This record gives sequence, C-alpha cells and structure tokens, in this order.
Amino acid sequence: DAKTTQPTSMDCAEGRAANLPCNHSTISGNEYVYWYRQIHSQGPQYIIHGLKNNETNEMASLIITEDRKSSTLILPHATLRDTAVYYCIVRGKNTGNQFYFGTGTSLTVIP
Amino acid sequence: DVKVTQSSRYLVKRTGEKVFLECVQDMDHENMFWYRQDPGLGLRLIYFSYDVKMKEKGDIPEGYSVSREKKERFSLILESASTNQTSMYLCASMTGGSGTDTQYFGPGTRLTVL
Repeated sequence: DAKTTQPTSMDCAEGRAANLPCNHSTISGNEYVYWYRQIHSQGPQYIIHGLKNNETNEMASLIITEDRKSSTLILPHATLRDTAVYYCIVRGKNTGNQFYFGTGTSLTVIP
Repeated sequence: DVKVTQSSRYLVKRTGEKVFLECVQDMDHENMFWYRQDPGLGLRLIYFSYDVKMKEKGDIPEGYSVSREKKERFSLILESASTNQTSMYLCASMTGGSGTDTQYFGPGTRLTVL
C-alpha cells in the first residue's frame, strides 16, 4: 500500500471549514483513499473514501487531485465534536484486506 | 447500523496471567481484525481472520494468539501477559474484501498489565 503523509496537528475555528491534507504520491491506479477519524478513547470511525472522483456524504467531502497524488478531507462547518485524530489511508483491492493506519492529524476545533 | 462490541472497556491484569479479549460483531462480516494502539505508533495490526477458524498474522503477532470458532466472535489471547502489552486494543470487522469495503471498529479495551 502507498504511504501517506499528513500534518501532525491542525487547529480550526468552530463553524469554519476544516481542510485536512494528505499526500500519497506513490499511490497506484487501483488504490482507494480512505479517511477515518478517532475521537479520544473511542474506536476509529469511517468517514469517506474515493478512487479518483470527488466524493461527498453527510459527514464530509473528499477532494482528490487529478494526478491522485494528494487529497483533502473537508469538514464544511467544524464543530467542537469534530476534534479528533484523522487518518488518511490508501488501500488497494488486493492487499489482503489490511488497512494501514499511520499517526494521522490531530484536529482541534477551537470555540 | 453495524455494531462491534468488546467485552471490556478497561482491564487490569498481572504479569504472567492469561488474558482473553472478546469481540463480537452483528453484521455477518467475514473479516475480523485485532489492532493495538500505542502513543506515537498509531494502530498496528496483530491478527486478522477472513473466515471461521482461519487466521493470518498481522504486523506484530508475537505474544498473541487468536480464536475464531464462530463467525460473529473473534478472540485475542495473551498467553502470558507482560507489561509491554499494556495498550489499547481495538477490534474491527469488515465484509467481503473488495477495494471499497470499510472497517467498523469497536470501542476498544484499555489493558493494563502490572
């Protein structure tokens, strides 16, 4: 699986959009980009995933660059409950079902 | 909603004890996973199972074993607990195995080995 690089930490004002970047420059054509988040003392929670088109659901939007070497998770109106560690994961179809979690980005939403 | 439950949220054991961590999922998922999470190291895969009685080692299987006798239940066993196994343990389940599947996690068990 391709390695991902994320900033260690970020802050965002409550009510503003939180834009979390992820670099995955070695991604291959059949690998998907997944985002999970982990609120303190809880298990990780799935947010969204995509292959090459931008995706949106009730939680977030995922923007993948045309060359697929990076992506951005967007929380459109961050709330205090969005304070969490966010993990960007790249996973292919033939990788034995493993998700490789790195250390993620610690997002703090500030009142 | 998918539900993954773990037998305990917090557990304290002594060095040398045999420890069982239980995980149950209610969505008929084929795949189940055990991770441990430590500060600065992220989540690391210990073992996973893709079917009843089937198991595969993850990245850090040493000191652990697993059991999957029923599809909904996946147990992690510490044969002789040691202090370096103090950690947060997370169980996850997932259907199928195609590129678009997602993992669903339980709430975690924080194990302290004294």
